[in-house]
Parts: sequence; structure tokens; C-alpha cells
Amino acid sequence: GAGVSQSPSNKVTEKGKDVELRCDPISGHTALYWYRQSLGQGLEFLIYFQGNSAPDKSGLPSDRFSAERTGGSVSTLTIQRTQQEDSAVYLCASSLWQGSYEQYFGPGTRLTVT
Amino acid sequence: GNSVTQMEGPVTLSEEAFLTINCTYTATGYPSLFWYVQYPGEGLQLLLKATKADDKGSNKGFEATYRKETTSFHLEKGSVQVSDSAVYFCALSAQETSGSRLTFGEGTQLTVNP
Repeated sequence: GAGVSQSPSNKVTEKGKDVELRCDPISGHTALYWYRQSLGQGLEFLIYFQGNSAPDKSGLPSDRFSAERTGGSVSTLTIQRTQQEDSAVYLCASSLWQGSYEQYFGPGTRLTVT
Repeated sequence: GNSVTQMEGPVTLSEEAFLTINCTYTATGYPSLFWYVQYPGEGLQLLLKATKADDKGSNKGFEATYRKETTSFHLEKGSVQVSDSAVYFCALSAQETSGSRLTFGEGTQLTVNP
């Protein structure tokens, strides 16, 4: 079946602009995660959605970052007023909540802030 | 908090050599442990996992044993191939942590030469 998909695959933006990154999880997966992979910080957790529960935003690095998940499926990560330190690969993952810790990752969106 | 410490790379081996990548962790409770692999140009893939002490995860000739007494989950393969060249990430997931988010090690770049 289809895996996790993300779009765009690459995004180049100017400092100060807003960007939106999209994630389509595996159908039926109730848990969705965003991570960031950068040279200086490795792989970091950003935010977690589980069904209709309030998201766990404890990993978001600043209030410029926000995310939403509509209808328990597609998620959008928004970065406002981008900074050069936001340059990274943003990874989305999904998993079945019940009895499974396996997270399936998308190919990522490479964000470059110039 | 939870953390994962991984053998620093890069690691360069000849084909058919023995591979060990060390991984130790700090966590409250009883985490599940994972090895993820990232092949060039591709997304993160789950390589193997272990969910309780003394469990051995195995896949594609790779093995790792969950050692609670030494808080370790070292990755081994008896005979590496050129196609194993990739970045390997050790990770843990703790049930006590909201959403069972993954905490990753720094990653180890493996290059296998023919």
C-alpha cells in the first residue's frame, strides 16, 4: 500500500517568508509525528498528533512553528518568518497507536532558507 | 530525560567485514529500542526493533540485543555488503512519554568498499 508522502520534496525560501509543509500519513494510522533532521541537532521531535486529542507541541522550537491535522489525516507544518537556522529536512511519520511503536517515515521535505 | 548515545562515525569497512555500531541509552521505565537506516537519497526505514530486555531484533543479517543491565542495543552484522552503505540511527521509544515519540542517536555513517 501507499506509504507516508510529503510535499514539497524541496523548498527554497527567503528569510522572513512563511512556508507550509504537507504530510499524508498511511491510511488508518491514527498517530502522526513531525521530526526535524539538521546537521547541528540531529533528529529532533517537533510535534505529535493522536486521533482527536490535543497535539503534543512540546518539541516545537519557537512560536513561529505550528501544525495542524485536519480530519485526523493530512497534516500541515507551518513555519512563519523563516530564519536560516530553520534550514533542515522535515520528516513526517505515522503509526498505528494500538499495540505498535513502529513509525513509518516519509521521504522528507528539504527546506533551505536563504 | 531520555537520551541515546551512538558510536560516532564515519565507519569505513571492506566488504565481508564484521560490523558493530555501539548504542547506549538512558531512559525512565522500560523503553522499546530500534535501529533505523537511511540509504542515500531515501527516507528513514525501520531496520529492527526489540521491545523488552533480552529480546533480539534481527533483519537482513543485522542483529541487536536489548541489554538492560548495560543499557545497550549494539548493532552487529557478520559480513557487510556494499549495499549496506547508509546512515544508521539508534532510537528509543518510551511508553511513559506522550505519544511514544522517538529519541534518536546522532547517526553513524557506514561506507562499505568492494
